[in-house]
Formats: sequence, C-alpha cells, structure tokens
Amino acid sequence: DAGVIQSPRHEVTEMGQEVTLRCKPISGHNSLFWYRQTMMRGLELLIYFNNNVPIDDSGMPEDRFSAKMPNASFSTLKIQPSEPRDSAVYFCASSPRGGAFFGQGTRLTVV
Amino acid sequence: SQQGEEDPQALSIQEGENATMNCSYKTSINNLQWYRQNSGRGLVHLILIRSNEREKHSGRLRVTLDTSKKSSSLLITASRAADTASYFCATAVGTGGSYIPTFGRGTSLIVHP
Repeated sequence: DAGVIQSPRHEVTEMGQEVTLRCKPISGHNSLFWYRQTMMRGLELLIYFNNNVPIDDSGMPEDRFSAKMPNASFSTLKIQPSEPRDSAVYFCASSPRGGAFFGQGTRLTVV
Repeated sequence: SQQGEEDPQALSIQEGENATMNCSYKTSINNLQWYRQNSGRGLVHLILIRSNEREKHSGRLRVTLDTSKKSSSLLITASRAADTASYFCATAVGTGGSYIPTFGRGTSLIVHP
C-alpha cells in the first residue's frame, strides 16, 4: 500500500482564492482525520470522519472551511475564501482503529 | 479536548546515549500513542499503549504508562543521529467507533553524531 496520499504537496495562493486539498486514505481504514500544523498552535484536529460520515467538525476554525468524504477512498478539505492566517501544513491521516497513519501533508501559503 | 503535553520541549544528546521524553495528560484515555516527525514530513506512528498496559517495547523504544499519574514516557536507547526528529504523544478516547488522537506540542530531539 502506498500509504495516505495527499495532494498537492505545496500550494501558494492569493488571499481570497479557493483552495482544495485532497486526500486518499489507506484502503480499509474506517477513520479519516484532517489536522493543521503551525508553529504557534501545534497540531490541531479540524475534523474527522468515521465510515465516510463526518463525526465532529468542532475543530474547523470558521465557516470558510469545509470537508467532504464522498466515498471511502477520497476526502477533500476546502477553504473559501482563503486568508493569510490559513497558512499552515495540513495533514490527512487514516486509521483502522488505533494508531493513525499520516500523509506527507500539504504546505499551504496564502499571500 | 484532551491533549498530551510533552516534556522537555527540546533535548540534545550525543549518539549512543539514551533519550527520555515524558508526556502528561488530563483525563481518562483509551490509549496513548507516540509519533515521530522528521522535518518537513508527516508523522510516523511509533507505538500504541492501551490504558490497561503498563509497558511496551518496540526495538530500541520503550514506552511506559502510569494511568494513576496520567503520564507516559518514551525511552529511546542507544540513540543514533537518525533519531533526530520531533516526538509527539497523542491521547486517544474512543467515540463513534474511532479513536481520535489529540496531540501535544512535541519534544524536539537532536542526536549529535
């Protein structure tokens, strides 16, 4: 298995633009997590899905953030409109039930 | 939300020495996990210890868990330069069929060759 695959690896966008981050979890894992990592706040859980259903999105910072998981093999995290303070590394992780397996992350820079 | 807090924030040692990192948390957990993150990379799951376990080994890693003190430690024996990374503990509580890892700020370990 190739592990959790995220795309793009790097994204630079202008303030106000829509950004879509993509994630392919490991096949057979029933949980999927989106995290954001910054120096100031560390690793924050944004949202998690169980069997493709969003369970808790209380970590999503604002309505500008939305996440979907249309099927077991794909999830997106969308920011619209993006702002400079959204600059961070965004990680997707999947889990069978226990330890989480992380993707390489998407480094987002909003200028 | 629950969150582990690692101590120390930074640790610098020589190759061959042992490295010990600690994690404290606030409320009851189902399990506790340790992860490693190399610079610019994603987190790698190292070891999971359940709340009814006290000690677990994996290669040069030894993890202990004291639920009465709400603390855990990660020991890396005979450290190598390649162990240089940030180490995170994550507490997990089961809900809705998932165990959701909640992370601390991490310990930055530097191993000098």
